[in-house]
Amino acid sequence: GENVEQHPSTLSVQEGDSAVIKCTYSDSASNYFPWYKQELGKGPQLIIDIRSNVGEKKDQRIAVTLNKTAKHFSLHITETQPEDSAVYFCAASISASKIIFGSGTRLSIRP
Amino acid sequence: KAGVTQTPRYLIKTRGQQVTLSCSPISGHRSVSWYQQTPGQGLQFLFEYFSETQRNKGNFPGRFSGRQFSNSRSEMNVSTLELGDSALYLCASSLDFLAGANEQFFGPGTRLTVL
Repeated sequence: GENVEQHPSTLSVQEGDSAVIKCTYSDSASNYFPWYKQELGKGPQLIIDIRSNVGEKKDQRIAVTLNKTAKHFSLHITETQPEDSAVYFCAASISASKIIFGSGTRLSIRP
Repeated sequence: KAGVTQTPRYLIKTRGQQVTLSCSPISGHRSVSWYQQTPGQGLQFLFEYFSETQRNKGNFPGRFSGRQFSNSRSEMNVSTLELGDSALYLCASSLDFLAGANEQFFGPGTRLTVL
C-alpha cells in the first residue's frame, strides 16, 4: 500500500549547524510533497512544499529536494536556531485530497 | 483571517460511548480533512469532505464517520469508543485540492482520552 518512510526519528544538532531529514515514498503517482512542523500543543504547520515537476525549492533557511527516480525527498535546514526545535513530518499526496505522512523526526537544537 | 478552529480541545470519554468533534475551516475553504495522531501510528488520514460530500476515505473502521455542512463546517463522530481511539484528532482545511490548492491548514486538534 501507500507508504512514506522518514529518517531519522530523532536528530540533535548544534545551533548554527545544518539539519537534514530524509523521506522515501512508495507510490510513483505521488505528485505533491509537503513538509510540516509541529510544536508542542499545536497542529502541524506547513513550512515548505514541492511538486513532482520541480527538483528543488528553497525558502530562506529551508530547502527541499526531490528525486523522482529514486522516490526520495529531503528537508534541509541551514543555520539552525533554537526555535527550529520541533517535530517535522514529511508527506506525500497520492490522490487529490489524501495525504500520507511520515512517522516524524524530533529535531533538537543544542545551544 | 481566523484559522481552523476545533472544539472541544479536550475530551474524556469511557469505553462504549460515542463522541462528536467539530471543525470550522478557514473562511472560504471548502475542503476539510480529518486525521488521527497517536504516538504509535503517527498521523493517519481519516477522511476528506468537499461540498458536503465525502471525497476520500482512509483505512478506519465504520465506527468513524463524518459529515460536512453547507457552511463547510465539519463534524466527525466515533461510536462505541475503544481505548485505542485515544488520540489527537486534527482537522485541516484547504481551498480545494482538485483546483491545485494543496496547502492544508491544520487546527490545534481535539485531544480525546478514552478510559
